[in-house]
Amino acid sequence: AQSVTQLGSHVSVSEGALVLLRCNYSSSVPPYLFWYVQYPNQGLQLLLKYTSAATLVKGINGFEAEFKKSETSFHLTKPSAHMSDAAEYFCAVSFSSNTGKLIFGQGTTLQVKP
Amino acid sequence: DVKVTQSSRYLVKRTGEKVFLECVQDMDHENMFWYRQDPGLGLRLIYFSYDVKMKEKGDIPEGYSVSREKKERFSLILESASTNQTSMYLCASSFPSGTTYEQYFGPGTRLTVT
Repeated sequence: AQSVTQLGSHVSVSEGALVLLRCNYSSSVPPYLFWYVQYPNQGLQLLLKYTSAATLVKGINGFEAEFKKSETSFHLTKPSAHMSDAAEYFCAVSFSSNTGKLIFGQGTTLQVKP
Repeated sequence: DVKVTQSSRYLVKRTGEKVFLECVQDMDHENMFWYRQDPGLGLRLIYFSYDVKMKEKGDIPEGYSVSREKKERFSLILESASTNQTSMYLCASSFPSGTTYEQYFGPGTRLTVT
């Protein structure tokens, strides 16, 4: 069965430090992979997506993610954290090309300390 | 901009009540989804609809039903609300983007059942 695992339910970094949020997936077919962000009291917003065009994907707000097939990973990074990055982040995978159904990871809350 | 709206941001209902959660999207999207979000569990799919009057069960459909009479509106119904249905409910719609779909989310409805 397909699944998504996010390692670490809470990650804390200092402002200006590297952000690394981990996501691993399980799949027998090539997946489509997504990262979403949820700010407090809001819905989810798409940060970036992988659709096999390029393994390194750049998204909004300076985030990027690299698809590594050998490691079945799609980790999210940002070189320098900003206070406004504090939010919950979700990794998701889609195996359906005709409905867009998503399977979500458990979520990682990012705290940014001044 | 795509707009997905949900009828209420906060809702308090009593055990046994019938509850309607409404979702409307303004971009003529074919696919619409209902998720519930619980801490540590991420988002779990309740139901989705790929066309008017068409629906499919998601991962946790028990205790819920849905209705889609018009393309822009997708309703989630709790036939007899129970305390274990206290949760955040998120609606989404999706559209084709390249080789996959992108989902747009509403702001969510936080439901409390007492």
